[in-house]
Amino acid sequence: ELKVEQNPLFLSMQEGKNYTIYCNYSTTSDRLYWYRQDPGKSLESLFVLLSNGAVKQEGRLMASLDTKARLSTLHITAAVHDLSATYFCAVDRNGGSQGNLIFGKGTKLSVKP
Amino acid sequence: DTGVSQDPRHKITKRGQNVTFRCDPISEHNRLYWYRQTLGQGPEFLTYFQNEAQLEKSRLLSDRFSAERPKGSFSTLEIQRTEQGDSAMYLCASSLVQGGEAFFGQGTRLTVV
Repeated sequence: ELKVEQNPLFLSMQEGKNYTIYCNYSTTSDRLYWYRQDPGKSLESLFVLLSNGAVKQEGRLMASLDTKARLSTLHITAAVHDLSATYFCAVDRNGGSQGNLIFGKGTKLSVKP
Repeated sequence: DTGVSQDPRHKITKRGQNVTFRCDPISEHNRLYWYRQTLGQGPEFLTYFQNEAQLEKSRLLSDRFSAERPKGSFSTLEIQRTEQGDSAMYLCASSLVQGGEAFFGQGTRLTVV
């Protein structure tokens, strides 16, 4: 069974702290996506990681991909309240770029002052 | 606004009624996807089109669900004889064939009473 597992599912952080969200997947996909979702809103694309060893950074978020370990990480640096949201990772079911994505259950991040 | 547009944003219907949702993708995108998201879960893939061809529909939840994209532009998702379990957010996304990054619309929230 194809699976995408995120850890942790809930994360409460203090502002200014660092933390990492983990995404393990069971397919052979070499492409992984990270999305952000605010309550009641749609999904915003954060990162597309296209190959083994890919690392992308945007502001306080940095994502990396290890296709051999089938693991991606989303690292949060010096968290601020505006980062509070649910973060999803996803891979293509067919291992390519056909858009038939399998999503994890999401990590609900709450950043407190 | 040149993003993915969905209509309506909210729909309340009585059990047993039929409902239809519309999605207008980003204009140059030839791939269009439908997902369903229930509370506390990641989006679940339903079907996708490349231009007007429906290339994957085996994951539509039952034969009560159908989707069309007759002219390769906008798409509709119909649910016949709605059930309370159909209550969810229905998300549409679009992408280019090459690249695969999917951009999501705001979603249609369906409530079946």
